[in-house]
Amino acid sequence: DTAVSQTPKYLVTQMGNDKSIKCEQNLGHDTMYWYKQDSKKFLKIMFSYNNKELIINETVPNRFSPKSPDKAHLNLHINSLELGDSAVYFCASSRSRTNYGYTFGSGTRLTVV
Amino acid sequence: AQTVTQSQPEMSVQEAETVTLSCTYDTSENNYYLFWYKQPPSRQMILVIRQEAYKQQNATENRFSVNFQKAAKSFSLKISDSQLGDTAMYFCASPHTGANSKLTFGKGITLSVRP
Repeated sequence: DTAVSQTPKYLVTQMGNDKSIKCEQNLGHDTMYWYKQDSKKFLKIMFSYNNKELIINETVPNRFSPKSPDKAHLNLHINSLELGDSAVYFCASSRSRTNYGYTFGSGTRLTVV
Repeated sequence: AQTVTQSQPEMSVQEAETVTLSCTYDTSENNYYLFWYKQPPSRQMILVIRQEAYKQQNATENRFSVNFQKAAKSFSLKISDSQLGDTAMYFCASPHTGANSKLTFGKGITLSVRP
């Protein structure tokens, strides 16, 4: 039973399209995150939700919008995709705001053509 | 800006040998955990080991151990008896000052284990 599952694993789409990535965790964690890993493997936080409340909102284009319908789900919607959005997007969860460590999903490789 | 520094971009080690990966950080949190994550070619991020900053004893998980020097803000990972499956990128991470839940990651180090 996968602890943090992301779908899809791969996403290839054209510039200008809108796409969503879904994430679900069955660990009972309170806090969920989206990280972006660029082509140089650098990991940067984008958003974090704690019990459906947005607590971290880094400087990302407003084309990126997270949504958390409940504490087990955190989705990422991206409007008007650009070539520079190509990256691996990781969802993660942690037990609470006091960070005992993240459990990561397997990542979504987004390729914009 | 919060920084986690992994100064070695690549390392190579012979199978069965020992290798140490270095990391420095600059969080000002009072109580925190530090982490090493492994990312093999499958791209899955796997927690290798964590260290609680209040504990003086260095954490150990099987072949993996840390050398934690709190005053120096240094947190290195030692891999003993290296195995081919240890080939991966390794990332050090520390919490962001004032936002404990937010982890800042280093740039990573690519470790190759030679047969």
